[in-house]
Amino acid sequence: QKEVEQDPGPLSVPEGAIVSLNCTYSNSAFQYFMWYRQYSRKGPELLMYTYSSGNKEDGRFTAQVDKSSKYISLFIRDSQPSDSATYLCAMLKNNDMRFGAGTRLTVKP
Amino acid sequence: DGGITQSPKYLFRKEGQNVTLSCEQNLNHDAMYWYRQDPGQGLRLIYYSQIVNDFQKGDIAEGYSVSREKKESFPLTVTSAQKNPTAFYLCASSSSPQGNEQYFGPGTRLTVT
Repeated sequence: QKEVEQDPGPLSVPEGAIVSLNCTYSNSAFQYFMWYRQYSRKGPELLMYTYSSGNKEDGRFTAQVDKSSKYISLFIRDSQPSDSATYLCAMLKNNDMRFGAGTRLTVKP
Repeated sequence: DGGITQSPKYLFRKEGQNVTLSCEQNLNHDAMYWYRQDPGQGLRLIYYSQIVNDFQKGDIAEGYSVSREKKESFPLTVTSAQKNPTAFYLCASSSSPQGNEQYFGPGTRLTVT
């Protein structure tokens, strides 16, 4: 079993839809939970990070962490074609970052 | 402009040759990291350095070497001992000792034939 599991998709939604991206993990020692966005052939861009269970909002993005279920989510409201990218979840303990394989999202105009 | 630069963007080498990938940052970050990304897989940590003249192996350090002589620079050498060197290599840096808030460079695509 991988430490971090992420559905690779692909996921295709119409413009304006609410997108839900998810990851599960097995190691309860993870302390920080991150979401990165990666456009094709580019480096990942940090969207959000959280430390504790609960929700964190930044504009159209909401990150949710449920440590009891070992489950994290990223919600994108009013999705735009420019949101089309691969989204990577990542989890960190003691400088050891573990990444999901990424979910490929396409937002159609 | 502050950021992380990696050069070159694309690199081609023959099997059996060592090759060095450049990573420079002007963010004044103490910690720097090297990852490799393969299709369908998450990023995997090769090496990281929290301070000048010190670095630690990640999960897949075999066949790679690094140096950290300056705070701004963390070059990665892919040696001929690396069995599957063709990949997308990403450098990152962080101001946090824990390693959260890692910011990535644009990456170098290495192809070895």
